[in-house]
Amino acid sequence: QVQLVQSGAEVRKPGASVKISCTASGYSFTSYHVHWMRQAPGQGLEWMGIIHPSGGNTNYAQKFRGRVTMTRDTSTRTLYMELSSLGSEDTAVYYCAKDSGSFSGDCWGPGTLVTVSS
Amino acid sequence: QSALTQPASVSGSPGQSITISCTGTLSDIGSYNYVSWYQQYPGKAPKLMIYDVSKRPSGVSNRFSGSKSGNTASLTISGLQAEDEADYYCSSYTTSNTYVFGNGTQVTVL
Repeated sequence: QVQLVQSGAEVRKPGASVKISCTASGYSFTSYHVHWMRQAPGQGLEWMGIIHPSGGNTNYAQKFRGRVTMTRDTSTRTLYMELSSLGSEDTAVYYCAKDSGSFSGDCWGPGTLVTVSS
Repeated sequence: QSALTQPASVSGSPGQSITISCTGTLSDIGSYNYVSWYQQYPGKAPKLMIYDVSKRPSGVSNRFSGSKSGNTASLTISGLQAEDEADYYCSSYTTSNTYVFGNGTQVTVL
């Protein structure tokens, strides 16, 4: 079955960077885009960007451009999302989600909690 | 890109029907039939309920239906059940080749 497994919770100090992984299984890895979203405590979902595992093409939400980098390793079927210059407002659960092929996320990872605190 | 506008909360009694609206602009909902809806329980990852405005993924109950008119999309839950109590988010593809979510609606089953 389709499954996305994400790396464990992270704690960072303000100004630092964090790199989260998302390992995919159960489908053709290079055929579907993968989205990254986040959800701050008690808040709604926020779309961060998208990557196509085949060529590594990316598109980021304007808010995160210059601060986010999405990459992939096709040999390990793993996607990565790195966010730099962290502030307390970046404390959130970060999700990866496989695109359905029709502009929606049909399988989501369990989420990775990132806490930014001094 | 501003978030799509959803009501903060909607409630209904078991067996009733409720509708959640999701209002965007010509830059998102108004330009594409790529509206999706997600259900999220506390502490859990979202689950896709509707895509392409009105299509249901395999395994999603036919009590869930979607529609769109102009810049506003809607999710209707018919025959409301206790298990439908959750947060619901809409999402749309945009003219900037990005995506935007709604601010979320908490559904309460009375």
